[in-house]
Amino acid sequence: DQQVKQNSPSLSVQEGRISILNCDYTNSMFDYFLWYKKYPAEGPTFLISISSIKDKNEDGRFTVFLNKSAKHLSLHIVPSQPGDSAVYFCAASAIGYGNKLVFGAGTILRVKS
Amino acid sequence: DAGITQSPRHKVTETGTPVTLRCHQTENHRYMYWYRQDPGHGLRLIHYSYGVKDTDKGEVSDGYSVSRSKTEDFLLTLESATSSQTSVYFCAISDRGNEQFFGPGTRLTVL
Repeated sequence: DQQVKQNSPSLSVQEGRISILNCDYTNSMFDYFLWYKKYPAEGPTFLISISSIKDKNEDGRFTVFLNKSAKHLSLHIVPSQPGDSAVYFCAASAIGYGNKLVFGAGTILRVKS
Repeated sequence: DAGITQSPRHKVTETGTPVTLRCHQTENHRYMYWYRQDPGHGLRLIHYSYGVKDTDKGEVSDGYSVSRSKTEDFLLTLESATSSQTSVYFCAISDRGNEQFFGPGTRLTVL
């Protein structure tokens, strides 16, 4: 039973446009959410996070939105650049969950120049 | 980048042989984790450690064991490797348990 779901295996976007990556979760105890980016043959790198007390967090071109009632979060990348082409993983954690993260299956983003 | 190394980076082994993967950190972080990455499954937690000699099972722990005798080292052992354990293995570390920082990965092939 996947508690964190990324339903789009892949996404293709034109350079300069907005990329929107989506993530849904089922466990209402999750209170902290993270996005990781992964290039081939490298480990995932932390990108941005959001606590459940917020509904938005921005860091440069990256913004994460959290809709707790819908158990949905999204990562917006504006403007998209070819170097953003990677696999993006959504992850969630909960107080009392033993400091563990639950990851989604990932979305492959391709930014075309 | 967090100081995490994994060794070996690549390994090919045969079914039934024991395999040990090593994760080494220079950050003195309390928490260490082992994940496997497979297509369609994302990153799945195998085992994790919350201190020296303190470990616990993750989502996919069957067939794997771990040990942490020093803060800086976290070993993952496949006692008798099977083809289903062919995967890319990532180690991660964390200081506070939220953001985790990942190593470069070990690609393991079990023939």
